[in-house]
Amino acid sequence: QITLKESGPKLVKPTQTLTLTCTFSGFSLRNSGVGVGWIRQPPGKALEWIAVIYWDEDRRYSPSLKSRGIITKDTSNNQVVLTMTNMDPVDTATYYCARVIYDTGTWHVDNFDYWGQGTQVTVSS
Amino acid sequence: DIQLTQSPSFMSASVGDRVTIICRASQDISSFLAWYQQKPGKAPKLLIYAASTVQSGVPSRFSGSGSGTEFSFTISSLQPEDFATYYCQQLNSYPITFGQGTRLEI
Repeated sequence: QITLKESGPKLVKPTQTLTLTCTFSGFSLRNSGVGVGWIRQPPGKALEWIAVIYWDEDRRYSPSLKSRGIITKDTSNNQVVLTMTNMDPVDTATYYCARVIYDTGTWHVDNFDYWGQGTQVTVSS
Repeated sequence: DIQLTQSPSFMSASVGDRVTIICRASQDISSFLAWYQQKPGKAPKLLIYAASTVQSGVPSRFSGSGSGTEFSFTISSLQPEDFATYYCQQLNSYPITFGQGTRLEI
């Protein structure tokens, strides 16, 4: 059974740093073709992809992060951590992590097949 | 960035109806497109990937087609549990992007 769960603070102040942890089970980031990504959704708005890290340490970021974000993995503990600096009220959203399937035959991402339940983060003073 | 435009943004339908949602990409994305369903307060659920491959465990009433810049998603016979918001997602190139969503209501 594959599960993912996000954890982190529910409230951060503007300019502070947000650290979110995705703890997963049922798969390993040692396996070829596997990644974990972060996606966020502001209240009442659409989904926005933020970042992804793959089994081979490749990392990709959305330009919207403007170099504020870093994604890392702890393969032994089945965790992926997203750190975002200089948080702003516009970063208020529900943050999801998801397993990412990468097709090494086509060299493209296939899909985001399993998602965590999401964690709500509010940025406010 | 590749922009995805879904139409319609809102749709009203009834149980048993056949509904189709269109997703247009701002440039050619081949078949690297997925569709997700999201219910209020819940995480998105993968329904379709590679434009037309139905994810394991997803009912056969859901289908997808298209390639290049125009894609469609169809529910052949709406069930009560299908009323939700649907998103397309392009996986052809980074940054990965989503459409703005189509809200399907009774």
